[in-house]
Amino acid sequence: TQLLEQSPQFLSIQEGENLTVYCNSSSVFSSLQWYRQEPGEGPVLLVTVVTGGEVKKLKRLTFQFGDARKDSSLHITAAQPGDTGLYLCAGYNAGNMLTFGGGTRLMVKP
Amino acid sequence: KAGVTQTPRYLIKTRGQQVTLSCSPISGHRSVSWYQQTPGQGLQFLFEYFSETQRNKGNFPGRFSGRQFSNSRSEMNVSTLELGDSALYLCASSLKREPGNTIYFGEGSWLTVV
Repeated sequence: TQLLEQSPQFLSIQEGENLTVYCNSSSVFSSLQWYRQEPGEGPVLLVTVVTGGEVKKLKRLTFQFGDARKDSSLHITAAQPGDTGLYLCAGYNAGNMLTFGGGTRLMVKP
Repeated sequence: KAGVTQTPRYLIKTRGQQVTLSCSPISGHRSVSWYQQTPGQGLQFLFEYFSETQRNKGNFPGRFSGRQFSNSRSEMNVSTLELGDSALYLCASSLKREPGNTIYFGEGSWLTVV
C-alpha cells in the first residue's frame, strides 16, 4: 500500500503569515495533485505536478514536486482568511489509483 | 456545464440496513470513482468505473459494491450497514482514465448509521 503522509495535520495562523505543508511518501508517484476542500463540499483540484523537481505557482500558492517524485510541498505566502480549508495531497500509482494523504486543516485568522 | 451530482445529500440508516447512493457525472465524463471520507481514516478510494466496467477497487469489504450504467451514471451500495460506515461518500468524474487527469468531485452524500 502506498501511503502519503501530510504534515502538519493542523495549522492555525494569523492573516499575512507564510506557511508550508508537506506531503511525503516512501513510494514513487507518476503524478501528484493538491486539493482544497471546504466544509460541506467535495475537494477541488488546485494543481497537478508530474515532473520531478517541478515547481508550479498559483497566485500566492507555490507547489513543488520532489526530484525523486516521492514528496511534495505547498507553500502559501501572506495567507488570507479565504485560504482556510482542508488541503489534501493525492498521488496516482501505476494502477491509476488515487491515494490521498490525511490532510492538513488550515485556519487563517483575520 | 452541470457539475457532479450526488443524491441523496444526507441520510440516516439503522445498523443492518442497506443503502444505495447515486452519482451523475459531468456530461461526457465516462470515468466515475467513489471515495469514503471519515475523520479518522481520511479520504479512501472505494472503486472506479469506466465504460460500465469496474477498473479498480480499494481495500473495502464485499459489503461495498457499485455499478455504472450506459449513461455513465453510477450507484454504490453498502449492505448490512455498520456504525463505522458513517461517513461522507464522495463521487468524482473525469473525462479519461489517465494519471494526473483532472477529476471533479461532487458535494458528497453524508451517511449516518445509528
